Amino acid sequence: EAQVTQNPRYLITVTGKKLTVTCSQNMNHEYMSWYRQDPGLGLRQIYYSMNVEVTDKGDVPEGYKVSRKEKRNFPLILESPSPNQTSLYFCASSLGSGGTGNEQFFGPGTRLTVL
Amino acid sequence: KNQVEQSPQSLIILEGKNCTLQCNYTVSPFSNLRWYKQDTGRGPVSLTIMTFSENTKSNGRYTATLDADTKQSSLHITASQLSDSASYICVVSDFGNEKLTFGTGTRLTIIP
Repeated sequence: EAQVTQNPRYLITVTGKKLTVTCSQNMNHEYMSWYRQDPGLGLRQIYYSMNVEVTDKGDVPEGYKVSRKEKRNFPLILESPSPNQTSLYFCASSLGSGGTGNEQFFGPGTRLTVL
Repeated sequence: KNQVEQSPQSLIILEGKNCTLQCNYTVSPFSNLRWYKQDTGRGPVSLTIMTFSENTKSNGRYTATLDADTKQSSLHITASQLSDSASYICVVSDFGNEKLTFGTGTRLTIIP
């Protein structure tokens, strides 16, 4: 089954404790991205990757890191989480970027709470 | 700055009724417009993708329209079902920026 998976689905942590949210897709997509969703603000892009070893900042990259060592995986790293990073996070993948009109597939989401 | 505005913010209708959701955008130059359905606590799922040359696109009981001149789109849901209860998000892409601009969504509730 074609899908985007994320782990963990739920995470409660404390300020400053490094964490990684994994994202994997099995559709051989080149384009992957991370979003956060907060009430009243809609989805905002954190980072995106056009292909392996190619990553770039989205609209809200502060406090986050990503890597793209393999085509299928795109982990999101929070080196020192803070309470303002409490949010619902989504990973997404598509054949190409937004401008290409390719359908974007979203993962199930990771609900992160930073105390 | 690229913006996507959706209305209404929320809508409650009776099962079996039709409804129309609105999306206005200021994204330029325009590439494509998407409508997503997002169930509570789940990731968005694509309903339609329309390019500049497409005026209407259907996906079952969902019909999206696009007026590129006025920069408006609508999503019409026919004969609503309880499973249509969700947030509907309008997303617009521009050429060159390689990013998507998301609306904040319309929360639709279908009551029996």
